[in-house]
Amino acid sequence: GAGVSQSPSNKVTEKGKDVELRCDPISGHTALYWYRQSLGQGLEFLIYFQGNSAPDKSGLPSDRFSAERTGGSVSTLTIQRTQQEDSAVYLCASSLASGTGGSAFFGQGTRLTVV
Amino acid sequence: QQQVKQSPQSLIVQKGGISIINCAYENTAFDYFPWYQQFPGKGPALLIAIRPDVSEKKEGRFTISFNKSAKQFSLHIMDSQPGDSATYFCAASKTGANNLFFGTGTRLTVIP
Repeated sequence: GAGVSQSPSNKVTEKGKDVELRCDPISGHTALYWYRQSLGQGLEFLIYFQGNSAPDKSGLPSDRFSAERTGGSVSTLTIQRTQQEDSAVYLCASSLASGTGGSAFFGQGTRLTVV
Repeated sequence: QQQVKQSPQSLIVQKGGISIINCAYENTAFDYFPWYQQFPGKGPALLIAIRPDVSEKKEGRFTISFNKSAKQFSLHIMDSQPGDSATYFCAASKTGANNLFFGTGTRLTVIP
């Protein structure tokens, strides 16, 4: 596709359930980022993948959060035992270059609601 | 700790007016300062960016002013239009870093 694609667009889940969020980056982009956007807040960095290097997981808020990137392309963000405070929009971005991430292109996000 | 502080939280401007959004940072290692525009239901889109070797960058009606000594930068939208109504985020990062630090956003409303 032409842009970063995320699925699902919306997800409502019960507290305690696990969820998986998917990101298809722009073809050829080696860098992939996950951010979280809570209501009225800025974007909170979660995790960064660059090629085959070990991911930068420094932004993951707890060990309930994990992410993987298969074959250097599609990425999945998994939240285990979801809590109400996990409710937010989860944004994925990709870029050609590593480092600043300034040329990152964002997907439309997945709105997660934990009830 | 908020690495980038953004103000105002919301802004209402008449059509044709100038919209000004301000950001401040503490980390002097930051060397890349982009602005993102986000419409409801969409992801943020890169609008314009600046590096600290220049004090101003202009692209169409959008201008970034950068004050290195004050560690501040701002976005000016000239001749604001209703279609500019969106949330704007400033951000900062440093070479070699893996992430952008975002401000909390400014919701701009341009009144016809």
